[in-house]
Amino acid sequence: ETGVTQSPTHLIKTRGQQVTLRCSSQSGHNTVSWYQQALGQGPQFIFQYYREEENGRGNFPPRFSGLQFPNYSSELNVNALELDDSALYLCASGGAYEQYFGPGTRLTVT
Amino acid sequence: TQLLEQSPQFLSIQEGENLTVYCNSSSVFSSLQWYRQEPGEGPVLLVTVVTGGEVKKLKRLTFQFGDARKDSSLHITAAQPGDTGLYLCAGDYAGGTSYGKLTFGQGTILTVHP
Repeated sequence: ETGVTQSPTHLIKTRGQQVTLRCSSQSGHNTVSWYQQALGQGPQFIFQYYREEENGRGNFPPRFSGLQFPNYSSELNVNALELDDSALYLCASGGAYEQYFGPGTRLTVT
Repeated sequence: TQLLEQSPQFLSIQEGENLTVYCNSSSVFSSLQWYRQEPGEGPVLLVTVVTGGEVKKLKRLTFQFGDARKDSSLHITAAQPGDTGLYLCAGDYAGGTSYGKLTFGQGTILTVHP
């Protein structure tokens, strides 16, 4: 039990639609990071939020955006969904030497 | 862009055998973390190594960090079916106050047969 929760568990969307994924991280962790994990691959860093500001982004286009709220919850928004966006989306929070991951949201784009 | 090469990608062994998973980069890590992931779940942290040359043990698992902090290995002794899963290494290159932006290896799918 990492204390990091995500919703929904599964989601099916159609190409071109928009989606919002949610994460609730541990109290006291000021950063939240989001990752995309395609089937059979390691997670890829999307971006990180620190004290409600974006604090670094991986190689993902601007249609991937996020928000972090004062109550340690955060959102990942993806616009104009593409088939390749189908993946497990993970959020993580933690300290300098340990990141705790949520169970993920499985997004399927058809 | 930092790359983290993890090998082998697949391991299928019999119960009782030993195995080693490797993780290599051309860049220096501020820290390296090993995770285990079960199907449909998020990665679970096993260990973090920070100091070059560091060795950490977790029951039958031994983790080493290279002297130059560019490589790491995970060794499992006498593997058991319960060890089956996806093992991931993840490097944190930034460190300091800019932590938590992890670069993951491709993962090693370990299957231990009874």
